[in-house]
Amino acid sequence: DGGITQSPKYLFRKEGQNVTLSCEQNLNHDAMYWYRQDPGQGLRLIYYSQIVNDFQKGDIAEGYSVSREKKESFPLTVTSAQKNPTAFYLCATATGPSTDTQYFGPGTRLTVL
Amino acid sequence: DAKTTQPNSMESNEEEPVHLPCNHSTISGTDYIHWYRQLPSQGPEYVIHGLTSNVNNRMASLAIAEDRKSSTLILHRATLRDAAVYYCILDGSARQLTFGSGTQLTVLP
Repeated sequence: DGGITQSPKYLFRKEGQNVTLSCEQNLNHDAMYWYRQDPGQGLRLIYYSQIVNDFQKGDIAEGYSVSREKKESFPLTVTSAQKNPTAFYLCATATGPSTDTQYFGPGTRLTVL
Repeated sequence: DAKTTQPNSMESNEEEPVHLPCNHSTISGTDYIHWYRQLPSQGPEYVIHGLTSNVNNRMASLAIAEDRKSSTLILHRATLRDAAVYYCILDGSARQLTFGSGTQLTVLP
């Protein structure tokens, strides 16, 4: 079964706790992305990585951190510094450095209580 | 980054064609035009993309104006499963896609 896996689908955390969202892919894609979506809004880019051991900040990186130690995995940590972390988080991949289609995972809905 | 403008919502009757417009008057010569759609509580799905020429695939057609300042996504026969938010996006630099609010398409039976 190929594709992008995000787990869990729903996640609840208490305010002030760090939480790590998982994104795994078996598509052998080089590039991976994290987006945040708030209700009724479009997607906003948090971080992206075009190659292992390298990543860049997107438009709204504050309060988030990532790592890219393996090609298959790009976990996102939502830290306590993120002021409003409740949102729908989407991971995406793409094949290479040129203009290319992005493939999205099913998303994780994070609710901070 | 170049921006896109889309209507907030549109309605269509089932089995009729749908034309979803997008304005991108500040598009640069190297910007590709991408369309994605998103069903509720799901990740976006790629629909089609193009640079200058009109494009067709199994899902839709993309008509690009000669000056490239606007484009239209065409669904030839809308079905209830086509009800979604449709995003028109320009891909210009560092492979970042900037998603706006999109167009909510409602398909009426």
